[in-house]
Amino acid sequence: ETGVTQTPRHLVMGMTNKKSLKCEQHLGHNAMYWYKQSAKKPLELMFVYSLEERVENNSVPSRFSPECPNSSHLFLHLHTLQPEDSALYLCASSQGADSGTEAFFGQGTRLTVV
Amino acid sequence: KQEVTQIPAALSVPEGENLVLNCSFTDSAIYNLQWFRQDPGKGLTSLLLIQSSQREQTSGRLNASLDKSSGRSTLYIAASQPGDSATYLCAVRPWTGANSKLTFGKGITLSVRP
Repeated sequence: ETGVTQTPRHLVMGMTNKKSLKCEQHLGHNAMYWYKQSAKKPLELMFVYSLEERVENNSVPSRFSPECPNSSHLFLHLHTLQPEDSALYLCASSQGADSGTEAFFGQGTRLTVV
Repeated sequence: KQEVTQIPAALSVPEGENLVLNCSFTDSAIYNLQWFRQDPGKGLTSLLLIQSSQREQTSGRLNASLDKSSGRSTLYIAASQPGDSATYLCAVRPWTGANSKLTFGKGITLSVRP
């Protein structure tokens, strides 16, 4: 248990569905991240939130919409996805500047788009 | 643009062997480097974090070294066990602030044979 919890662990959705991924961290961190891990590719950063403000959007399609209502929670809202969006979506958190910034990851949500 | 390379992509060793996993990165201006372990279908577990000013970090049977000037890090695993079988990823954070992104390698999938 790393202190970062993601739900659901597995999700199958059709291309016309709308769903949301949830991430919660209990580490007191002030930065949260969404990463995408596709087969045989390095992890790709999607979004970064610092102090609940989005500080980086790594050219992610608009069918992925993040939300960070407070420093402990992060959502990824999904709509009209494509089969190539099937991947493991990982949430991470870290403390802010000047503190070593070790990143802690959740267990991920395995998303399959059919 | 920072690139992280981990070669080979896969490694199989007999139990009890000491082994070294390599990681190289193209831009030496890093804030820190982190080694992770990932079991199949699971999230990432942080193993070791090395700050740019450090040369190595140790945790149990694991030792990670960092040679920033040559753009290399190694993860040394002593007396390998079947339970060490997993994918090992290294990631670097650039020297532009804690909330900037980790750049990951593709990982090395390790199999330790009983």
